Amino acid sequence: KAGVTQTPRYLIKTRGQQVTLSCSPISGHRSVSWYQQTPGQGLQFLFEYFSETQRNKGNFPGRFSGRQFSNSRSEMNVSTLELGDSALYLCASSSRGWTEAFFGQGTRLTVV
Amino acid sequence: EDQVTQSPEALRLQEGESSSLNCSYTVSGLRGLFWYRQDPGKGPEFLFTLYSAGEEKEKERLKATLTKKESFLHITAPKPEDSATYLCAVQGGANSKLTFGKGITLSVRP
Repeated sequence: KAGVTQTPRYLIKTRGQQVTLSCSPISGHRSVSWYQQTPGQGLQFLFEYFSETQRNKGNFPGRFSGRQFSNSRSEMNVSTLELGDSALYLCASSSRGWTEAFFGQGTRLTVV
Repeated sequence: EDQVTQSPEALRLQEGESSSLNCSYTVSGLRGLFWYRQDPGKGPEFLFTLYSAGEEKEKERLKATLTKKESFLHITAPKPEDSATYLCAVQGGANSKLTFGKGITLSVRP
């Protein structure tokens, strides 16, 4: 079956702009989490959604937000982009209970 | 706060030279310990989830083990295609988020 799909794969944005990233989970998975990966900090948790509800949020500023739709697809938004937001943004999906978590290929965001 | 430390940061092996990657963790109420493989520019690829001390799982040349304080990923007779970054993560308490280590970059020379 199809894996986790993230779009777009690459983005270049200017400081101060906003960006929306999309994630389609594995069919049947209702839990979606987002992570930011940078060389210095590694993978850091952003937030988790289950059945359209945010269940958990990491230590990121309010400029980072997300949502989940009734078909389990999720989006994350970053407003007022800063240079430090340049990273690989990863989405993971799981069935209930998170016994296995599968990641997408990520969206590489570059802020210039 | 959950913490994961992986060592060494980088490991270079000759093809066929077996070794182990270490993942030390502190977590309140372990729900699962996850191992992933990540190739450059790609998302992490799921390998294993371990749930309790003493548990072992195997996949091809990889074997993961778990104790109450650490996990090991044993690589038997590695091949160049095993070169990648190996990530360890824990999930604890009522929280479903994964806390990752910084990863171990493995290079296998032919």
